[in-house]
Amino acid sequence: QKEVEQDPGPLSVPEGAIVSLNCTYSNSAFQYFMWYRQYSRKGPELLMYTYSSGNKEDGRFTAQVDKSSKYISLFIRDSQPSDSATYLCAMRDGNNRLAFGKGNQVVVIP
Amino acid sequence: DGGITQSPKYLFRKEGQNVTLSCEQNLNHDAMYWYRQDPGQGLRLIYYSQIVNDFQKGDIAEGYSVSREKKESFPLTVTSAQKNPTAFYLCASKQVTQTSSYNSPLHFGNGTRLTVT
Repeated sequence: QKEVEQDPGPLSVPEGAIVSLNCTYSNSAFQYFMWYRQYSRKGPELLMYTYSSGNKEDGRFTAQVDKSSKYISLFIRDSQPSDSATYLCAMRDGNNRLAFGKGNQVVVIP
Repeated sequence: DGGITQSPKYLFRKEGQNVTLSCEQNLNHDAMYWYRQDPGQGLRLIYYSQIVNDFQKGDIAEGYSVSREKKESFPLTVTSAQKNPTAFYLCASKQVTQTSSYNSPLHFGNGTRLTVT
């Protein structure tokens, strides 16, 4: 089993729909959870950063962490064509070791 | 504007040649990292450096070398020993202090796409 599992997609949604992305992980030592957005031919940019179970909102984006189920999610409300990108989950353990998911490609259709 | 600059954006080399990828940051970050990104494989750590004149191997260091002579610079050399060097290479940095070591996120450059034929 991979340490971090993320469905690579692609995920196609109509403009205005809610995008739901998720990652599962096997290492209970992971304490910090991040979502990065990566446009084509660009580097990843940090979107959301959480370190506790529960929800964190930032505008149209909500990050959700469920440590008991080892499951994290990212929701994008009122999706726009500009949200079309690859979304990577990442998580860090107490030894500062970082693990990434493979990335999930999202396409928002106008 | 503060950030991480990777150059060049595209690089083409013949098999058997060494090539050096540049990474410069003006964020005053202590730690710098090199990742390789391949389709369907996610990001894999090549080398990282927490302070000047010190660096450690990551998960896939074979065939690569780095140096960290200055805080702001962390060049990566892809040697002829790297069996499959064609990939997208990403440099990243983060701040490391006593209070932020474990909760400061990575900041990435825009990558260098290396093609070796």
